[in-house]
Amino acid sequence: DTGVSQNPRHKITKRGQNVTFRCDPISEHNRLYWYRQTLGQGPEFLTYFQNEAQLEKSRLLSDRFSAERPKGSFSTLEIQRTEQGDSAMYLCASSLGRRTGELFFGEGSRLTVL
Amino acid sequence: AQKVTQAQTEISVVEKEDVTLDCVYETRDTTYYLFWYKQPPSGELVFLIRRNSFDEQNEISGRYSWNFQKSTSSFNFTITASQVVDSAVYFCALSNRDDKIIFGKGTRLHILP
Repeated sequence: DTGVSQNPRHKITKRGQNVTFRCDPISEHNRLYWYRQTLGQGPEFLTYFQNEAQLEKSRLLSDRFSAERPKGSFSTLEIQRTEQGDSAMYLCASSLGRRTGELFFGEGSRLTVL
Repeated sequence: AQKVTQAQTEISVVEKEDVTLDCVYETRDTTYYLFWYKQPPSGELVFLIRRNSFDEQNEISGRYSWNFQKSTSSFNFTITASQVVDSAVYFCALSNRDDKIIFGKGTRLHILP
């Protein structure tokens, strides 16, 4: 399978715990995006990378959220001290930089905070 | 600020009917891109189309067509002769040159057999 891969697919955690999600993009894609989606809403932009550089982080994102893409390949999204309001589907997408906006999405990682 | 509005939360039509999904956008940029994505029940978002702000030509792809009108800041999507497999949530999205893509809240489309 050469699509965007996300792990784990589902994570259940207790409030206050830290969680980390991993995204493996399509191999030749230099851009990688993280979005969050809650029920009945559209994807909400969190951050994106070009190669290993984080180009923008949403102002809506608290300091508990951090993302990395250390070698310009896979990326991790960590949420520290989780809160119930963090429960959502976390979506990763990748693209070729020259194809603006043509994103290839993974199946998402669903987070449930109890 | 950029914004995408999809006023239709949910639409139901009978199979073979035509249906139009509305999208209105706001941006101060003169260069921007508009998109439509489909999210079927399986959940994975799928890219459908991209238009840039300098190209107002309408586009047709099979049963799908898109009407871009800068004068009304709209980028509407029409499915002709709808099929049950078209049932999904459809998102309109907007990006300026820096590639941060903003999505609307989506329109859930039900095609009834």
